[in-house]
Amino acid sequence: DTGVSQNPRHKITKRGQNVTFRCDPISEHNRLYWYRQTLGQGPEFLTYFQNEAQLEKSRLLSDRFSAERPKGSFSTLEIQRTEQGDSAMYLCASSLDWDRDSEKLFFGSGTQLSVL
Amino acid sequence: SQKIEQNSEALNIQEGKTATLTCNYTNYSPAYLQWYRQDPGRGPVFLLLIRENEKEKRKERLKVTFDTTLKQSLFHITASQPADSATYLCALEGAPRGTYKYIFGTGTRLKVLA
Repeated sequence: DTGVSQNPRHKITKRGQNVTFRCDPISEHNRLYWYRQTLGQGPEFLTYFQNEAQLEKSRLLSDRFSAERPKGSFSTLEIQRTEQGDSAMYLCASSLDWDRDSEKLFFGSGTQLSVL
Repeated sequence: SQKIEQNSEALNIQEGKTATLTCNYTNYSPAYLQWYRQDPGRGPVFLLLIRENEKEKRKERLKVTFDTTLKQSLFHITASQPADSATYLCALEGAPRGTYKYIFGTGTRLKVLA
């Protein structure tokens, strides 16, 4: 068990560029979550998957954000036409839905995005 | 919509004392509530989960209480140590139950002074 892995750890981009982040959950974890966190705030829910199905997407998420989990394993989060307000830590978490600890989320270390 | 409130001001306590953090929620009755620890630049780490039919849960120096009438959870760290310094987040499952969509509070930053 190597934990949840996120890449890259840091990303600096210019406003208007597209960025893509990757998350590799703990193997066999079928739920995968994306959260966004800014300084001094708690993680804000963005979206989550059960296997390859995207079950819910936050209404706060604009159309510039899209997430995929094509084979029910790793996931990508893409932000198009980045804005300075997108600067934040993007966290990925996973869990196993049939385990007695199914309510427990395991987080990665996040991708810190800075939009200049 | 569900709302979670944690004391946004940092809590400073002396080593060896008991730290008590508060989590209040509104507009919902969750089946359970969780507490996480987050260190700077890292993702949150799960600590404890307490269910609506449990009044209290303990794990080593940690204790969590859950008052569904007050809509409040208290998180205690006894015999606190400088290594306990971190931000502590409470989280609950958003409505409706069974969605496994988790809402987090803003967190309380704890600093244990040696």
